Amino acid sequence: DAGVIQSPRHEVTEMGQEVTLRCKPISGHNSLFWYRQTMMRGLELLIYFNNNVPIDDSGMPEDRFSAKMPNASFSTLKIQPSEPRDSAVYFCASSLYQTNTEAFFGQGTRLTVV
Amino acid sequence: KQEVTQIPAALSVPEGENLVLNCSFTDSAIYNLQWFRQDPGKGLTSLLLIQSSQREQTSGRLNASLDKSSGRSTLYIAASQPGDSATYLCAPTGANNLFFGTGTRLTVIP
Repeated sequence: DAGVIQSPRHEVTEMGQEVTLRCKPISGHNSLFWYRQTMMRGLELLIYFNNNVPIDDSGMPEDRFSAKMPNASFSTLKIQPSEPRDSAVYFCASSLYQTNTEAFFGQGTRLTVV
Repeated sequence: KQEVTQIPAALSVPEGENLVLNCSFTDSAIYNLQWFRQDPGKGLTSLLLIQSSQREQTSGRLNASLDKSSGRSTLYIAASQPGDSATYLCAPTGANNLFFGTGTRLTVIP
């Protein structure tokens, strides 16, 4: 398997624009996580899906952030409108069965909002 | 909320040395604990997963231990190599989340 695939790898956008980050989990995995990494706060969970259903979205910072998982092989994280403080590296991870099994991370999307 | 601490924050050792990285966590009700490495500008690579019922897990030169009751885990790296240079992160796991420490940045000097 190619692992968790994220796109784009880098995104530079202007404040106020909509940004969509994409993730393809490992085939057969039923759990998907979105994390954000910054120097100040480290790695923080944004949202967790199990069987395509959002289970825990308590980490989503505010209404400007939304995430979807329309099927088992695809998820999106959308920021609208984007702000400079959203600049970070966003990681997607998947695991075979919830948090009981090993989690595998994608290479991340480095987002810069200017 | 689970708080994870990793000590030391940075470590520099000569090639060939054995070393230990420490991880402590405040909530012992974990499902498992995973160790990752992260190279600069890259994603996280899974190294080892220890289930909550296990005490130890080994993979090659790496050995991880878990003492759930005291909220501690260690990652032992034997015969360190320059290619081991990276940031090492531990992540105890709850029902919906992997909780991350800030990591230990390891530099192995040739």
